[in-house]
Amino acid sequence: DVKVTQSSRYLVKRTGEKVFLECVQDMDHENMFWYRQDPGLGLRLIYFSYDVKMKEKGDIPEGYSVSREKKERFSLILESASTNQTSMYLCASSSPTSGFEQFFGPGTRLTVL
Amino acid sequence: KNEVEQSPQNLTAQEGEFITINCSYSVGISALHWLQQHPGGGIVSLFMLSSGKKKHGRLIATINIQEKHSSLHITASHPRDSAVYICAVLDARQLTFGSGTQLTVLP
Repeated sequence: DVKVTQSSRYLVKRTGEKVFLECVQDMDHENMFWYRQDPGLGLRLIYFSYDVKMKEKGDIPEGYSVSREKKERFSLILESASTNQTSMYLCASSSPTSGFEQFFGPGTRLTVL
Repeated sequence: KNEVEQSPQNLTAQEGEFITINCSYSVGISALHWLQQHPGGGIVSLFMLSSGKKKHGRLIATINIQEKHSSLHITASHPRDSAVYICAVLDARQLTFGSGTQLTVLP
């Protein structure tokens, strides 16, 4: 089974702090994605990556950056956390060999105070 | 960009009932995901299909590519089926999500 893990299930940070959310997948997937999920807005794509050191902006990249130094790891960075970044963050991965079916991590619920 | 609409938004059923959740989209796709999310956040992929029908236990998913429509059916529903069900369409390796259907199955 594909396993996608995220570094924390719950995280509380203060406004202005730098926040790192880590995602690791163990199935050698080329594609990795970061989403945020908010009530009434559903899942929205923040950033994605189709290869190591490659990144592309999704629909809502403002206030975020990403890093993909290794194939299995995709990090989401909040340079200076703000209260409107309080949300559920979900990572996913996929591969052409699995028909691009996306497999999701358990999510990180981030609260910014 | 694809527009994905799900209906109903909320659904309450009695245990044992047959349930249908619908999904329609606006632009041709390569495949469609049905996802399940239980309270607590984790999302599980139930099906990915590009044509016809797939069945897994009490769950059945169908897709009509010409009509740009998919349905998720749950037979003999059970309280443990209570969750949010999300339809997502795959286009160029990316997903566009519907808003989800909150299903509550009462004992």
